[in-house]
Amino acid sequence: GQQLNQSPQSMFIQEGEDVSMNCTSSSIFNTWLWYKQEPGEGPVLLIALYKAGELTSNGRLTAQFGITRKDSFLNISASIPSDVGIYFCAGRGGSEKLVFGKGTKLTVNP
Amino acid sequence: KAGVTQTPRYLIKTRGQQVTLSCSPISGHRSVSWYQQTPGQGLQFLFEYFSETQRNKGNFPGRFSGRQFSNSRSEMNVSTLELGDSALYLCASSRDITTYNEQFFGPGTRLTVL
Repeated sequence: GQQLNQSPQSMFIQEGEDVSMNCTSSSIFNTWLWYKQEPGEGPVLLIALYKAGELTSNGRLTAQFGITRKDSFLNISASIPSDVGIYFCAGRGGSEKLVFGKGTKLTVNP
Repeated sequence: KAGVTQTPRYLIKTRGQQVTLSCSPISGHRSVSWYQQTPGQGLQFLFEYFSETQRNKGNFPGRFSGRQFSNSRSEMNVSTLELGDSALYLCASSRDITTYNEQFFGPGTRLTVL
């Protein structure tokens, strides 16, 4: 089945630093989604990407749908303490099921 | 507008028991999906319901089942619980199948099997 490899698994950064994380797929995806999950809550959709090459921003967050349709990255600029959480990528290929990466745990030191 | 609600939020069961979890989607949303989240496996798709019909199913044993009611509320049931079923069970709703990508998640039900 489809698998997503998300990296890094965890990141420890200083407030103000930029962050980058990515996901790669073993097969072609038609959609890439990025979610953030905070403790005790369900994932919240941050950015949705629907076309290869698409670059979309949401405030300090920017995500891109890779040209090969097998990868996507998420950048967070000028991190702040409330960026702490687990970030998930998710993708959908030929089937309608969403496949999730295992998450990147972000810690921001003030 | 109220978000996705899940009940109960926490549940403790013993091996062999069965459990039923409930999900109320956002008003007007007709698609409900269920996911299992564990530290080792991450988020895994269980099944999706739309208009009271199961449209997609993940790779879980038959002990995991679900249903959707005419008001779009959904329940999932796990029978003969095993220790490995301990997880956060998340429900997500979307308006319909065409907006499947824009799912809104509930806070989850934390199930612990002893």
